[in-house]
Amino acid sequence: AQKITQTQPGMFVQEKEAVTLDCTYDTSDPSYGLFWYKQPSSGEMIFLIYQGSYDQQNATEGRYSLNFQKARKSANLVISASQLGDSAMYFCAMRVPGNQFYFGTGTSLTVIP
Amino acid sequence: EAGVAQSPRYKIIEKRQSVAFWCNPISGHATLYWYQQILGQGPKLLIQFQNNGVVDDSQLPKDRFSAERLKGVDSTLKIQPAKLEDSAVYLCASSSQLGTGVPDTQYFGPGTRLTVL
Repeated sequence: AQKITQTQPGMFVQEKEAVTLDCTYDTSDPSYGLFWYKQPSSGEMIFLIYQGSYDQQNATEGRYSLNFQKARKSANLVISASQLGDSAMYFCAMRVPGNQFYFGTGTSLTVIP
Repeated sequence: EAGVAQSPRYKIIEKRQSVAFWCNPISGHATLYWYQQILGQGPKLLIQFQNNGVVDDSQLPKDRFSAERLKGVDSTLKIQPAKLEDSAVYLCASSSQLGTGVPDTQYFGPGTRLTVL
């Protein structure tokens, strides 16, 4: 069965500090993709970063990096130098063959000035 | 490149009424998704289209929900009759295997916030 687990309902981080949001996944498909989305209070889901199951290196996009540990089936999001605008819900998602997506329950991040 | 468009942004109806949502995906995106997101939860897939064919509608409550994607472009999602538990944000997303960026990445619209009284 396909499953995405985010165990941190809420996280707090001091402005300018780094924060790690946890995500574990479960799939028997060897080919899959892992995504992180940001959902501010406005409601729109914003794509942040992607990691393919065959990618050798961890993905990075600006202040976002994905700590991909395939053996542990984890895909944690690291946000460096947190900003007030980073306060939002963050969702981890997995794509499996057939372009089916599975989402976690999300982590609410609050950046403290 | 224009993003995914959805309308209306907000809708308030009474239970047992009907409602329809519209989605216009990113131009050229073959795959279109409708999600239901209840407050405090992650998005739940309702239906997935590939062009104008249905790929997955296993979680669509077919006794009250229907969706179509005529001509493989725009899509409408309908609820008839609505129940209190249908109060949620309805998100539309589209993706493509082609073009720039990460293939098959889902791009979301702003969503429609439905309140059923």
